[in-house]
Amino acid sequence: SSELTQDPAVSVALGQTVTITCQGDSLRAYYASWYQQRPGQAPRLVIYGKNNRPSGIPERFSGSDSGTTASLTITGAQAEDEADYYCQSRDRSSTHHHVPFGGGTKLTVL
Amino acid sequence: QVQLQESGPGLVKPSETLSLTCTVSGDSISSNYWSWIRQPPGKGLEWIGYIYDSVLTNYNPSLKSRVTISADKSKNQFSLKLSSVTAADTAVYYCTRDFYDSTGYTYMDVWGKGTTVTVSS
Repeated sequence: SSELTQDPAVSVALGQTVTITCQGDSLRAYYASWYQQRPGQAPRLVIYGKNNRPSGIPERFSGSDSGTTASLTITGAQAEDEADYYCQSRDRSSTHHHVPFGGGTKLTVL
Repeated sequence: QVQLQESGPGLVKPSETLSLTCTVSGDSISSNYWSWIRQPPGKGLEWIGYIYDSVLTNYNPSLKSRVTISADKSKNQFSLKLSSVTAADTAVYYCTRDFYDSTGYTYMDVWGKGTTVTVSS
């Protein structure tokens, strides 16, 4: 299955650490990528591959994976981290090639 | 700096064909993968399909029968056509640049700002 499952909502106190998870069979074969989407804006890539951050993404963002679960961790969450976060992977078989996204997690910074 | 800009009609009638264009600056569409992604109001992201090397295409199986992605190398643009649209196709449509790692994972590192398309009579 190419489905990716995320918790709909997570909250974190300002300055604390939060982990957002993504589950799916495709994650056994492929690393997840993570995107942040603030209200009214396009998504932007925050983590890709084993644990890579694009230029300009703060070091407090990190990624990890274990079996069928990928995780995005924000260490010392800031107010500007309040956003929707989406995971994305890949699903390839002999009959099709799909690029699924998780349903998204709304992060609230308290 | 790579930039993507979506363009096209903001309103499409039911049963007609939605047509959008993505203009790429700072990179050549003859290299890399280029995708269309959409987001219905209040909902999550859905990959529509990609084009590679201006010729090779691959589509979301759930949309495959209605989607065509093509490229115009002379204008450095790629386009989306989605036929027989319904209200369920109302969404913000994004174009993206994609990378496929040698180990197989993929990510979208550049996104356009998105364009809103409403399907209504």
